[in-house]
Amino acid sequence: GQSLEQPSEVTAVEGAIVQINCTYQTSGFYGLSWYQQHDGGAPTFLSYNALDGLEETGRFSSFLSRSDSYGYLLLQELQMKDSASYFCAVRGKASGGSYIPTFGRGTSLIVHP
Amino acid sequence: NAGVTQTPKFRILKIGQSMTLQCTQDMNHNYMYWYRQDPGMGLKLIYYSVGAGITDKGEVPNGYNVSRSTTEDFPLRLELAAPSQTSVYFCASRESTQETQYFGPGTRLLVL
Repeated sequence: GQSLEQPSEVTAVEGAIVQINCTYQTSGFYGLSWYQQHDGGAPTFLSYNALDGLEETGRFSSFLSRSDSYGYLLLQELQMKDSASYFCAVRGKASGGSYIPTFGRGTSLIVHP
Repeated sequence: NAGVTQTPKFRILKIGQSMTLQCTQDMNHNYMYWYRQDPGMGLKLIYYSVGAGITDKGEVPNGYNVSRSTTEDFPLRLELAAPSQTSVYFCASRESTQETQYFGPGTRLLVL
């Protein structure tokens, strides 16, 4: 099966940079994704890494190291509206042979003024 | 495009009752997923479908059933509701060549 570990909570101040780490164990690997979820809302896609290295999308960047089974989400120039939960997710091989998504438990990011 | 829509938004069930959670997407996506999310937890995959007529179990399928008779619709059926099924249920879809999952707004279910 698949499992992911990420910190339960991270706090930072407006304008700062914060990094949310994710380590994973999976049989077969089809990439690491990141999703944002505001309280009571639907998760929304942020980024995806299939290969090692850094992917940048505006203020958000995501990094993957497949040899270390590790990735992180980097948020720059933090804004109050970035306060939300952030989930890493992998698509790994299920017992039936399909690649199915598994989500981490989420990191609650609290941004202070 | 409306994206992924779910009905109802909220429902209270008594133990032993049954209900169907509806999910529809208008993006012509082949892949569709049902997740449940308990407070402070991540999303757990219940069932998924890779196309019309094809469904398979996810991580936590017990107590649920699904069908996929069309590309657009992927209903989730609870046959005998139990308090352990109190949760928020999200439906999602994605195009087969992309990783992005598009989520519906969720259905909040309370079983008493």
